[in-house]
Amino acid sequence: SQTIHQWPATLVQPVGSPLSLECTVEGTSNPNLYWYRQAAGRGLQLLFYSVGIGQISSEVPQNLSASRPQDRQFILSSKKLLLSDSGFYLCACKPSGSQGTRDTQYFGPGTRLTVL
Amino acid sequence: AQSVTQLDSHVSVSEGTPVLLRCNYSSSYSPSLFWYVQHPNKGLQLLLKYTSAATLVKGINGFEAEFKKSETSFHLTKPSAHMSDAAEYFCVVSSLWGKLQFGAGTQVVVTP
Repeated sequence: SQTIHQWPATLVQPVGSPLSLECTVEGTSNPNLYWYRQAAGRGLQLLFYSVGIGQISSEVPQNLSASRPQDRQFILSSKKLLLSDSGFYLCACKPSGSQGTRDTQYFGPGTRLTVL
Repeated sequence: AQSVTQLDSHVSVSEGTPVLLRCNYSSSYSPSLFWYVQHPNKGLQLLLKYTSAATLVKGINGFEAEFKKSETSFHLTKPSAHMSDAAEYFCVVSSLWGKLQFGAGTQVVVTP
């Protein structure tokens, strides 16, 4: 079964500073990968998803970006953080070999980002 | 397009009493439906999923959910709440390519 690692677990950054959050996956190859954000008191919002190396789809316009330099590595970045970027960031994985609507996403432990 | 509505933002139950979390969905496709649980500052854990097999789905920790197509509902139940069930619960519908649409969540409080 797959395991999803995220780091750091918590992060406090000043407004205007850069950001890099990392997600790595073990136990599967060529997974679909996802970044979600959960703001305080709100549900989960899909930010980016990737079906393969170098393939990124953005769901919501924002000052964040994502990259997938390796098959099982997914990075969320920003050049200049905003206060509104604070939240809980979750990486998710849909294992390979699964198509269509029938398959489950598995979530990492999350990164708590506070922008001051 | 698909959407999901969780009818209660907060549910408070006494330990040992039944839990009911309500969820309605809409989908252009034959949907896959999920319930996830999130404990404070933790990732999401899958409780159960419906994928067009049996309409009554049993999950972990004694939870189950019934898919009712006529009512477009997928309510989550547990016969007897435990203190460890205090958490936030998300009803989710899956679209093509595994994109998930989350409900707003239901916060469950369990009192002794």
